Amino acid sequence: GNSVTQMEGPVTLSEEAFLTINCTYTATGYPSLFWYVQYPGEGLQLLLKATKADDKGSNKGFEATYRKETTSFHLEKGSVQVSDSAVYFCAQGGGADGLTFGKGTHLIIQP
Amino acid sequence: DVKVTQSSRYLVKRTGEKVFLECVQDMDHENMFWYRQDPGLGLRLIYFSYDVKMKEKGDIPEGYSVSREKKERFSLILESASTNQTSMYLCASSFAGSSYEQYFGPGTRLTVT
Repeated sequence: GNSVTQMEGPVTLSEEAFLTINCTYTATGYPSLFWYVQYPGEGLQLLLKATKADDKGSNKGFEATYRKETTSFHLEKGSVQVSDSAVYFCAQGGGADGLTFGKGTHLIIQP
Repeated sequence: DVKVTQSSRYLVKRTGEKVFLECVQDMDHENMFWYRQDPGLGLRLIYFSYDVKMKEKGDIPEGYSVSREKKERFSLILESASTNQTSMYLCASSFAGSSYEQYFGPGTRLTVT
């Protein structure tokens, strides 16, 4: 079946460091890909998405590119802030049968 | 803005009680979903619905049932709560179609004692 694999962390970085969170997926066909963020005590919020190969999703300084050849959708940000501390989920699919999520990556940014 | 609301943020119930978790969305979405979130396991799909009175089992439906009598409302029912159902429950909704993202409610943290 479909699956999503991402680094689980916690990932600890200093403020202004470069961030990469890896995500790879297995699926038949070409699923839509998503990154969600969950701040403490809250539900998940959509951060960005891409619906076809080579699409780049971006939001709030975060970017991810849909790479069909490597079945990857890595999340990047050039300079992280303390306020970016959260849990980040990579997901694939979408539509009536739900999303398949990775297990989440806990990101901690230290001042 | 899309709004998905859940009836309670925190809930404490006793073993054997019947528990109702309510979810309402205001964007006329066709699809609605219930997930549970546990440390180290991520999010797991319990049930989903793509239309009124329609329901489909997700990955972990055992011990749960659902009801969708109106398009905007999707209820999760624990017929006889057990301690292993202590978890964070997340509701989500989306338009039909594979490219549409899901919108999540704030979650209900359920503790069964």
